[in-house]
Amino acid sequence: QVQLHQSGPGLVKPSQTLSLTCAISGDSVSSDRAAWNWIRQSPSRGLEWLGRTFYRSKWHHDYEPSMKSRLTINSDTSKNQFSLHLNSVSLDDTAVYYCAGGSAAWDFQSWGQGTLVTVSA
Amino acid sequence: QSALTQPRSVSGSPGQSVTISCIGSISNVGGYDYVSWFQQHPGKAPKLLIYGVTKRPSGVPDRFSGSRSVSTASLTISGLQAEDEADYFCCSYAGDYTVIFGGGTRLTVL
Repeated sequence: QVQLHQSGPGLVKPSQTLSLTCAISGDSVSSDRAAWNWIRQSPSRGLEWLGRTFYRSKWHHDYEPSMKSRLTINSDTSKNQFSLHLNSVSLDDTAVYYCAGGSAAWDFQSWGQGTLVTVSA
Repeated sequence: QSALTQPRSVSGSPGQSVTISCIGSISNVGGYDYVSWFQQHPGKAPKLLIYGVTKRPSGVPDRFSGSRSVSTASLTISGLQAEDEADYFCCSYAGDYTVIFGGGTRLTVL
């Protein structure tokens, strides 16, 4: 059974970079069957898929178009984890951020516990 | 793309069946076999109930079923139980390696 555990700060200042990490147990970040996603949820925007990374002979990354210029998702095979880095944050980026894992067929089978990130000065 | 359209709320009595709709378009729900449904209790992460339009992950009761007609997906919950009271979200692949979610439906068990 795949378990995901998130870590990272709950408060970020405007214009700074939001960074979160998702540690994986029960699977490998470089599995050739899995994909690793970041999703956020806020009262104003609902659930919003942000992007994913997965390994199929090489690393692949897909990003929600509106986030692409500010978002980087990368992986650390030595720690079996993946990370989100969202730069130039604004108040509108305040949300609960989730990591989620599944197959490459867009099924988010496993979720992290969620991290409430507040953007505030 | 705009979010998928779900009713804001539905309700039913224990033992009854309820169906939650998720209206999309040919660009998402109607165009790909990648429709999922999630259940979310307050303060918890979403839980996958249905994927691939109709498939159930192991451990999800067969009271939960998914279907699709043209560009509208549906989640049916039969034999309602008190613990089914939660928010339900649909999700669909939308092409160009992106995914969109519905706005969510609050299910109240009367």
